[in-house]
Amino acid sequence: AQRVTQPEKLLSVFKGAPVELKCNYSYSGSPELFWYVQYSRQRLQLLLRHISRESIKGFTADLNKGETSFHLKKPFAQEEDSAMYYCALSGRGYGNKLVFGAGTILRVKS
Amino acid sequence: GAGVSQSPSNKVTEKGKDVELRCDPISGHTALYWYRQSLGQGLEFLIYFQGNSAPDKSGLPSDRFSAERTGGSVSTLTIQRTQQEDSAVYLCASSLGTRGLYEQFFGPGTRLTVL
Repeated sequence: AQRVTQPEKLLSVFKGAPVELKCNYSYSGSPELFWYVQYSRQRLQLLLRHISRESIKGFTADLNKGETSFHLKKPFAQEEDSAMYYCALSGRGYGNKLVFGAGTILRVKS
Repeated sequence: GAGVSQSPSNKVTEKGKDVELRCDPISGHTALYWYRQSLGQGLEFLIYFQGNSAPDKSGLPSDRFSAERTGGSVSTLTIQRTQQEDSAVYLCASSLGTRGLYEQFFGPGTRLTVL
């Protein structure tokens, strides 16, 4: 079964502090992992994906197959990072349908 | 260019009524997905289309839910005999294809409230 777990519903940090949003997955195969973000009153949008191995808005995420994790990290949080973050996976042969975690609200305080 | 659009943006209906939700994907996108975002269930997959065909309908919660896509473009999600547990935000997404390298672009959603 495909499953994505985001253990924290809410993560509150101060501006300038490091951020780590946790994501663990279960999938029997080689999944593709994504982070999506939804800012207030905006639509859901892709933040980054593991196959690109890129940094977007200072965020990075490394796929750890041994720990089945895909945690999202940023060394210095900014107030504009406040949003809902969803970790998601898709499996080959499943039409790229996304399985989402429950989401984590990131609140960056000044 | 224009993104994915959905209509209506809000729909309030009475229990037992039928509703139709519409999705206009980005032009040229062959893949179209429906998801539901609710408080109790989070974001869940409902159905996807490749062209006008729906290879995977596994996420539709009951036979009251159906969807179609015509002309490889517009899609309609229909919920018959709505129930209060159908209240949710229904999201549509489209992409160039169904491989993982293709990004899914999401619409603004339709907020459905069943009284």
